Amino acid sequence: DAGVIQSPRHEVTEMGQEVTLRCKPISGHDYLFWYRQTMMRGLELLIYFNNNVPIDDSGMPEDRFSAKMPNASFSTLKIQPSEPRDSAVYFCASSRQLPYGYTFGSGTRLTVV
Amino acid sequence: QQQVKQSPQSLIVQKGGISIINCAYENTAFDYFPWYQQFPGKGPALLIAIRPDVSEKKEGRFTISFNKSAKQFSLHIMDSQPGDSATYFCAASPGNTPLVFGKGTRLSVIA
Repeated sequence: DAGVIQSPRHEVTEMGQEVTLRCKPISGHDYLFWYRQTMMRGLELLIYFNNNVPIDDSGMPEDRFSAKMPNASFSTLKIQPSEPRDSAVYFCASSRQLPYGYTFGSGTRLTVV
Repeated sequence: QQQVKQSPQSLIVQKGGISIINCAYENTAFDYFPWYQQFPGKGPALLIAIRPDVSEKKEGRFTISFNKSAKQFSLHIMDSQPGDSATYFCAASPGNTPLVFGKGTRLSVIA
């Protein structure tokens, strides 16, 4: 198994631009999580899905953030428009069962200038 | 109620020494307490986990100590090695909701 695959690994964009982060979870994992990591706030849960359905998006900071999971093998996190304070490392993780055995991807380092 | 407070923020330990990282929680419904290890440029990976029905769990050089009455748990790394240098996260969950993570401890093991 290739693990959780995230793309791109690095993204540099200008303020105001749309950014789309992508994630392919491990096959058979029913739960998918999007986390944001910063030095100040650590690992913050943004949203999670169960069987492709969003369950809790209360961690999404603003309406500028949206996430979708159109099928069991793909999810996106979109920021539109992006702002410098969105600069962080964004992780996708998946698991078979809450809250056990999270497998994280290698993350996307987003820099908004 | 949902917070997990982790300390210290950073830690420097001599090779061969013991590294100790502490976490405290308030939510008495928490019943699963894992530790995750993160190397630079990688995502966190599960290291070891404990349930509150035991006070200690050991896997190799890594031990979790759990104090239910104090609502605290800690990670001990015995005979710390430079390869253990990483960021460590404690986490907790009541079992039916996602993990809540501490803010992380950056461990540096120096020779």
